[in-house]
Amino acid sequence: KAGVTQTPRYLIKTRGQQVTLSCSPISGHRSVSWYQQTPGQGLQFLFEYFSETQRNKGNFPGRFSGRQFSNSRSEMNVSTLELGDSALYLCASSPVEKGRDTQYFGPGTRLTVL
Amino acid sequence: AQSVSQHNHHVILSEAASLELGCNYSYGGTVNLFWYVQYPGQHLQLLLKYFSGDPLVKGIKGFEAEFIKSKFSFNLRKPSVQWSDTAEYFCAVNAGNNRKLIWGLGTSLAVNP
Repeated sequence: KAGVTQTPRYLIKTRGQQVTLSCSPISGHRSVSWYQQTPGQGLQFLFEYFSETQRNKGNFPGRFSGRQFSNSRSEMNVSTLELGDSALYLCASSPVEKGRDTQYFGPGTRLTVL
Repeated sequence: AQSVSQHNHHVILSEAASLELGCNYSYGGTVNLFWYVQYPGQHLQLLLKYFSGDPLVKGIKGFEAEFIKSKFSFNLRKPSVQWSDTAEYFCAVNAGNNRKLIWGLGTSLAVNP
């Protein structure tokens, strides 16, 4: 099976702009989670989507939002970008078969805010 | 609130040395435990996981970890490291059926040939 894919891989934006990142999960996986990775804070959970519904949300401001489509693909959006939003944004998918399952990660989108 | 701490931020070893990376978590209920590895320039990969059963779990590339419930620990071990084990190692925890992963800050391992 193909792994989790994320597009674009690299992105440069300026403060105040908005950005949309895309994630395609492993075929058959129904849950998609998003994480932000920075050198100072490490990996932090943003949100999880399952069956087009947000199931979990981390402690991020409302500028961070997401959605999931009927084919399980997911997008996350960050509006009014700030310098501190520069990070690697990781998407992970999981099958949701038995409740306790493993998340498989994509390569990430490296966002730089200037 | 749940938290995960990894005691060693940077570890430098010579090839063939033994490795133990510490991971402690704070949560009183049922947890699922994971170790992920991030090789230079690559994405996060699962090394091993614990859901239930035998507290000693074996993963890929000769890694193993032991879940000690009384100590809230899930330490990663490898008896003999190789240069190719140079990477960043992350411990992560989620509670029960909740897929939200809480992460340690990672341990950067450098193995000298």
